[in-house]
Amino acid sequence: EPEVTQTPSHQVTQMGQEVILRCVPISNHLYFYWYRQILGQKVEFLVSFYNNEISEKSEIFDDQFSVERPDGSNFTLKIRSTKLEDSAMYFCASRAGQFLGYTFGSGTRLTVV
Amino acid sequence: AQTVTQSQPEMSVQEAETVTLSCTYDTSENNYYLFWYKQPPSRQMILVIRQEAYKQQNATENRFSVNFQKAAKSFSLKISDSQLGDTAMYFCAFMKLSAAGGGADGLTFGKGTHLIIQP
Repeated sequence: EPEVTQTPSHQVTQMGQEVILRCVPISNHLYFYWYRQILGQKVEFLVSFYNNEISEKSEIFDDQFSVERPDGSNFTLKIRSTKLEDSAMYFCASRAGQFLGYTFGSGTRLTVV
Repeated sequence: AQTVTQSQPEMSVQEAETVTLSCTYDTSENNYYLFWYKQPPSRQMILVIRQEAYKQQNATENRFSVNFQKAAKSFSLKISDSQLGDTAMYFCAFMKLSAAGGGADGLTFGKGTHLIIQP
């Protein structure tokens, strides 16, 4: 069964450093997403991406965040200057179409120290 | 904006019993989807079941079924013949369908219910 692949599974970074989280969505999917889950809390929507541009973003997704689909297969989330409160599990997800369900990756656990 | 409420932070049942997890939501939208996701200790998000709001018939997937009450904005999940592997966090989620048809809308999640199946 096709999977959404996220790398790395766990990343530790120092406060103020830039970090890039990588995702390879399912190949024929058209819609791409990033979500985050702070430990013990609910999953929160960050951003959606369609047709090579951001479709929707939440209040969490401020200027410190950016997304890119550089080569038609990878989908990346960049945090420019990490803060302690960015520590969370980050999930990538993709969908084939508007009326189809999401497939989530297994997540990247980001720890900012 | 949409909100999703799961009023049961934790539930515990014996193996083979039936359990119902509750979820209510608030929205002014008419076209939307509802989902239940399972998150085991591995923390992966796994789709359990989904319901289209325009469908009156309740969705069913093997041991999992929903009771969708659109007027009451209620979307409960019933797990029959519960198994040890059902132990996980369960999240209810809402997704509106944009009129423009872009379909890029994000999911709004509830806070989750930690379900424990006891042997």
